[in-house]
Amino acid sequence: QKEVEQNSGPLSVPEGAIASLNCTYSDRVSQSFFWYRQYSGKSPELIMSIYSNGDKEDGRFTAQLNKASQYVSLLIRDSQPSDSATYLCAVNGPGTYKYIFGTGTRLKVLA
Amino acid sequence: EPEVTQTPSHQVTQMGQEVILRCVPISNHLYFYWYRQILGQKVEFLVSFYNNEISEKSEIFDDQFSVERPDGSNFTLKIRSTKLEDSAMYFCASSGVGNYGYTFGSGTRLTVV
Repeated sequence: QKEVEQNSGPLSVPEGAIASLNCTYSDRVSQSFFWYRQYSGKSPELIMSIYSNGDKEDGRFTAQLNKASQYVSLLIRDSQPSDSATYLCAVNGPGTYKYIFGTGTRLKVLA
Repeated sequence: EPEVTQTPSHQVTQMGQEVILRCVPISNHLYFYWYRQILGQKVEFLVSFYNNEISEKSEIFDDQFSVERPDGSNFTLKIRSTKLEDSAMYFCASSGVGNYGYTFGSGTRLTVV
């Protein structure tokens, strides 16, 4: 059974701080990794994708991937109250467009 | 920005009734998906659709479920005989060539009573 694990939280950080969200996955051959943001009652919204080891930055967001450790993370710099949401990690393997989602980490940014 | 459109936003149905959930994917996308999310749980894959046929489906997607692309724009999910446990938010998604991430629609909240 292919699994994607996330700490459910809530992770509380003060406004302006760095929020660090983590995800581990069980399928070693996973190839593509995505972070989605989901506000309560809304649909997932794509934030970032990452495919190779290392860091990928997009504005205030940095995704980090370590395939050897089967670990992917998302850093949010200068966190804002509007960043308060559930962050979903999604993983995709070779030969398929199916994503396996984690349960999500709820982030609360305190003003 | 292009978006995936889903209708209705909320549907209430009686157990045993058939429901059809509708989606209009992004026009130049080629891959279409249905996912569901039971309240408080993870987003779960149901089915993927490419080139007018199902390319992959999950164990959840049993004989009670079907998908169709009846014309060049709509993509539908039919549940033939709804059960209480089908109550969930159903998300349609689409993606283009290359695995760069899906765009999800706003979802249909299905309540089976």
